[in-house]
Formats: sequence, structure tokens, C-alpha cells
Amino acid sequence: DSGVTQTPKHLITATGQRVTLRCSPRSGDLSVYWYQQSLDQGLQFLIQYYNGEERAKGNILERFSAQQFPDLHSELNLSSLELGDSALYFCASSVSGQGSEKLFFGSGTQLSVL
Amino acid sequence: GENVEQHPSTLSVQEGDSAVIKCTYSDSASNYFPWYKQELGKGPQLIIDIRSNVGEKKDQRIAVTLNKTAKHFSLHITETQPEDSAVYFCAASRGGSSYKLIFGSGTRLLVRP
Repeated sequence: DSGVTQTPKHLITATGQRVTLRCSPRSGDLSVYWYQQSLDQGLQFLIQYYNGEERAKGNILERFSAQQFPDLHSELNLSSLELGDSALYFCASSVSGQGSEKLFFGSGTQLSVL
Repeated sequence: GENVEQHPSTLSVQEGDSAVIKCTYSDSASNYFPWYKQELGKGPQLIIDIRSNVGEKKDQRIAVTLNKTAKHFSLHITETQPEDSAVYFCAASRGGSSYKLIFGSGTRLLVRP
């Protein structure tokens, strides 16, 4: 168990809908990351937060947004969902968000858009 | 942009044999290279990592080597066991206050009993 908690584990929704994925980092970790894993794209970095502030952005679509709250949990919001958004979404956390720290991943949220 | 290439995509070995997975990175400023193991239905789990000031690191049956000049690094698993069967990902990142860990495409390792 990595200590990173993601909910829900599975999410099934329809095209055009909006969903929210939730992540609680390991105790003591200030930085949270979101990754998307699909069969054809592998593990793609979406966005990083540190202590409530956005710190780095990857290939995150404009339809997607994220935030990190004062209690350090994070939410990834996906809107106007398309079939191609179906994927595993992982949250990870690290202590201070520096580029050579160990990153710990949650078990992921499997999103299916029908 | 940053890119990490990983080979092979699939690898099948007999139990007890060694397995080697190779990765090449494009960003010469990369200085941290972790390896992750992902089992079915689970998130990636860090198994070993190496920093650019070190050429080799070992942890029991696994080892990682780094060649900064050639910009490639490898994972070596010796005396493989069926429980080593999983997907392995290499990754690279540069130091600094923003952390974009770039992953390779993964290697599916099958250890045959």
C-alpha cells in the first residue's frame, strides 16, 4: 500500500458528462501529481500541484482541470467527456515536489466513457 | 520535447534466467531515473531509482545501470521468479521545483515457471 488514496476505483459515465476524481496524498506529502494511462499513450503526465499551487503542466486538455485543497487532497475534474477520455487516471504524491524525489502512486480510477 | 524510449515491449524468460530492459532519454538535463513495476489492477510501484551522479545501483536481485554519455539506462533482474511478472516502466526527470516525470512505454515481463 503506497499510502495514496484514490476514489472512486471505477467510474462509468456517458459522453458529454462531467466527473470528479479525488486523491488523498500520503501523510506528510505536499505535492500531488495526476497521470493518465491509456493503452496507446502509456503514462502521460497531466499536472502537478504543490501545497495548493499549480507547479507544472503536461499535456492536460482544456476540458480538464485540477486543484489541491488546503488539506492537501486533490481533485481532477473532467468535463465534456469524450470516448477517448476512457483511461486509468493515477494520482501520485511526493514530499516537496522536487524533480528527483520518489513518487508514490495510488491504485487509480478506471474511467469508462460510453 | 522530452522523450523516453523503452525496449523491448514484451519479454518472456524462463524462471531463474536474467531479464534486461533498456531505456534511452532525450533530455540531457535529466538527472533522476526511477523504475516502476505495475501489477494488474494496481498503480505503478517504485522498485529502484538512480541519480545521475551514480553509474550503478543494486538492490538484491535488481540493479540499474546508467550511461550519461549515451543517455541510456537499464534494469537488470537476476534469478527471475514468477512473481516478477508485471509491466515495468522506466522514467526520467530533471531536478528543480517542477517535477515532470516522463515515462517509457513499458515492458511486459513474463517469467515462465
